[in-house]
Amino acid sequence: NAGVTQTPKFRILKIGQSMTLQCTQDMNHNYMYWYRQDPGMGLKLIYYSVGAGITDKGEVPNGYNVSRSTTEDFPLRLELAAPSQTSVYFCASSTGGATNEKLFFGSGTQLSVL
Amino acid sequence: AQRVTQPEKLLSVFKGAPVELKCNYSYSGSPELFWYVQYSRQRLQLLLRHISRESIKGFTADLNKGETSFHLKKPFAQEEDSAMYYCALISGGYNKLIFGAGTRLAVHP
Repeated sequence: NAGVTQTPKFRILKIGQSMTLQCTQDMNHNYMYWYRQDPGMGLKLIYYSVGAGITDKGEVPNGYNVSRSTTEDFPLRLELAAPSQTSVYFCASSTGGATNEKLFFGSGTQLSVL
Repeated sequence: AQRVTQPEKLLSVFKGAPVELKCNYSYSGSPELFWYVQYSRQRLQLLLRHISRESIKGFTADLNKGETSFHLKKPFAQEEDSAMYYCALISGGYNKLIFGAGTRLAVHP
């Protein structure tokens, strides 16, 4: 199992450009999450999904969109990139069978908006 | 407001010394707390969760509701313990986590 796979690993965007961060998991997990981590800060939840076709906002959703058309994939879309979106983005998943489950994380995407 | 505070950005110790990484939380209700760790060039991964009352790699953490703390401890640090450590709290169900800012543990030979 590859676990949680994120692409790309690094990306530089110009202000106003758009892009999609890809996330896929091969563990048949129901729950998936997108977090961002700014320097010196903890991870903050952007969006999450509890199953295909079901998504909801987290703590910092503005400027982002998500979709969950399959169990495996949970892409994060940035429209009109802004310098404030410069961050490291982490995708994660969990089985969704119980509480207190651990999250499995991807390796992260480092995004710079210039 | 629900919050996790890790007051130390960096904790530097020598091999064999005791380690205590501090974590305080703010939560109304019964908290569900975790420690996650990120070793160099590796992914963020679960170290331990308070509900399991387990010891992983010699680390333990006890939930102290009176002091709203969940400090991570190890009696004798090893060089391979050097990593970023994040305390996290489940908030709002669906295993959604609130993370602290993290503490970098540096263990010197």
